[in-house]
Amino acid sequence: GAGVSQTPSNKVTEKGKYVELRCDPISGHTALYWYRQSLGQGPEFLIYFQGTGAADDSGLPNDRFFAVRPEGSVSTLKIQRTERGDSAVYLCASSQDRSYEQYFGPGTRLTVT
Amino acid sequence: ELKVEQNPLFLSMQEGKNYTIYCNYSTTSDRLYWYRQDPGKSLESLFVLLSNGAVKQEGRLMASLDTKARLSTLHITAAVHDLSATYFCAANNNAGNMLTFGGGTRLMVKP
Repeated sequence: GAGVSQTPSNKVTEKGKYVELRCDPISGHTALYWYRQSLGQGPEFLIYFQGTGAADDSGLPNDRFFAVRPEGSVSTLKIQRTERGDSAVYLCASSQDRSYEQYFGPGTRLTVT
Repeated sequence: ELKVEQNPLFLSMQEGKNYTIYCNYSTTSDRLYWYRQDPGKSLESLFVLLSNGAVKQEGRLMASLDTKARLSTLHITAAVHDLSATYFCAANNNAGNMLTFGGGTRLMVKP
């Protein structure tokens, strides 16, 4: 079946602009996660959704970052007033439930110039 | 706070040789994951280890878990060039949601 998909695959934006990154989880997966991976490092947790609600947003670095999952399926990560330090690969993962294995999408490479 | 450390961070080895990657985690965790990442690609799940003493093998890779020592190992047997990639271990927190990743081990297997 279809895996986790993310769009766009690449996004280049200017400092100060607003961006939205989209994640389509595997159908039926109730848990959805966002991670951020900087060059040469392991992914870092940002936020976790169980259904429509953000169950844990402790990894969001500051209030410029926000994520939604209004219908419990597709999620959008929103970054306001982007900074060069936001440049990274943003990975989305989904799982059948919170205790099950997480399946990762291909990621969105964000470059802030 | 859960912390995960891997070593070595970089490993260059000859084809046919054996080696082990180590993954230590700082607090109790109920499962340990190993992922492979090729350059520019996402994470491919290799193993999920659920209990103390768990051992899983797939091809030339074997993973084990010692929850008392908070240590997992990924053993490579008779390495081949196709195994060249970055390998990450990750542990989940006991609430079962977020994963905390190690820094990764970049493996290069030379012919």
